[in-house]
Amino acid sequence: GAGVSQSPRYKVAKRGQDVALRCDPISGHVSLFWYQQALGQGPEFLTYFQNEAQLDKSGLPSDRFFAERPEGSVSTLKIQRTQQEDSAVYLCASSLAATGNTIYFGEGSWLTVV
Amino acid sequence: GDSVTQMEGPVTLSEEAFLTINCTYTATGYPSLFWYVQYPGEGLQLLLKATKADDKGSNKGFEATYRKETTSFHLEKGSVQVSDSAVYFCALDTGTASKLTFGTGTRLQVTL
Repeated sequence: GAGVSQSPRYKVAKRGQDVALRCDPISGHVSLFWYQQALGQGPEFLTYFQNEAQLDKSGLPSDRFFAERPEGSVSTLKIQRTQQEDSAVYLCASSLAATGNTIYFGEGSWLTVV
Repeated sequence: GDSVTQMEGPVTLSEEAFLTINCTYTATGYPSLFWYVQYPGEGLQLLLKATKADDKGSNKGFEATYRKETTSFHLEKGSVQVSDSAVYFCALDTGTASKLTFGTGTRLQVTL
């Protein structure tokens, strides 16, 4: 596709459920990022992949959060045993190379934990 | 650590008014600075950027100048339009794998 595609766009999960959020980056983009954006806040960095390698996961808030990109293209962010504080928009972004290139964002996956 | 502070919104202006959205930053090293815009129902889009001191980024009538002495990157536009209504985010990147640090965003509402 032409842009970064994320699914589902909207997800309501009961507390304690596991969720999986998918990201399809722009074709050929090496770098892929996940950000978390709470209501009324700016996006906060979660994790970064270069191809299939997860080079930085310093922003993941707990061990309930896990991300993978096994073939260096599509990525999945998984949240286990969701809590209410996990409610946020999860943004995926990609760029052509590691540094110095424009980062393109998807529209986000809105997660509400009830 | 790195941080970005931008003026709180919402900012409400009449069409053709002058816009300034303030942004200041704290960073180690020499960051690149960005303004991103988020239109209703859409993803974040890069509006403009500057990579070194005294650089001016510009796009769609918006501009911002990288001021190292005041650690600022204020966004300006001479004449806003209703279509500029959106949330604007200031961000920095210290070059570590393009990991962006964002401000909290400023909502702009332009009325006729």
